[in-house]
Amino acid sequence: KAGVTQTPRYLIKTRGQQVTLSCSPISGHRSVSWYQQTPGQGLQFLFEYFSETQRNKGNFPGRFSGRQFSNSRSEMNVSTLELGDSALYLCASRAWASTDTQYFGPGTRLTVL
Amino acid sequence: QQQVKQSPQSLIVQKGGISIINCAYENTAFDYFPWYQQFPGKGPALLIAIRPDVSEKKEGRFTISFNKSAKQFSLHIMDSQPGDSATYFCAASYGGATNKLIFGTGTLLAVQP
Repeated sequence: KAGVTQTPRYLIKTRGQQVTLSCSPISGHRSVSWYQQTPGQGLQFLFEYFSETQRNKGNFPGRFSGRQFSNSRSEMNVSTLELGDSALYLCASRAWASTDTQYFGPGTRLTVL
Repeated sequence: QQQVKQSPQSLIVQKGGISIINCAYENTAFDYFPWYQQFPGKGPALLIAIRPDVSEKKEGRFTISFNKSAKQFSLHIMDSQPGDSATYFCAASYGGATNKLIFGTGTLLAVQP
């Protein structure tokens, strides 16, 4: 079974631009969560999507948004990029129940110049 | 109260030795405590997890010890191997959810041959 895949793996943007990151969960998984990982703030939960609906949200500004499609694939969008948005963005999927094991993808490394 | 404090920040252990990483939390509502292992360029991978109804859980060379009254939990890696060299994160969540995690700051483990 293929793991969680994320595209692109690396991305360079400039301040003020917007960016869209993509995540394909493990086949059959319906829940997708996004995390931001930075050296300063560590790993932080962004939000979770389940059956195309945002189910949980972390403490991030509205510039960070996401969506999920009917095939469970998910996208994350960051608008008006700031230097501090430079991070590794991780996507994780789990099957269905809140207690199911969560599996992470390799991440997208975003650099904002 | 939402923090999970992890120590040490880095750890050097000789091959065959025991690696011990500690975490402490304040929120008594937390009821799921996983440990993740992350190699450079990869997403975190679930190692082992515990819920507060047990005080210890062992999987192979990895053991979680959980002290509910002290609000602490720790990861013990027995017979540490160079291949265990990675960053380890503890985390916690409530409501039994495996995804809306509050992560510790990570411990960089180096196992010397």
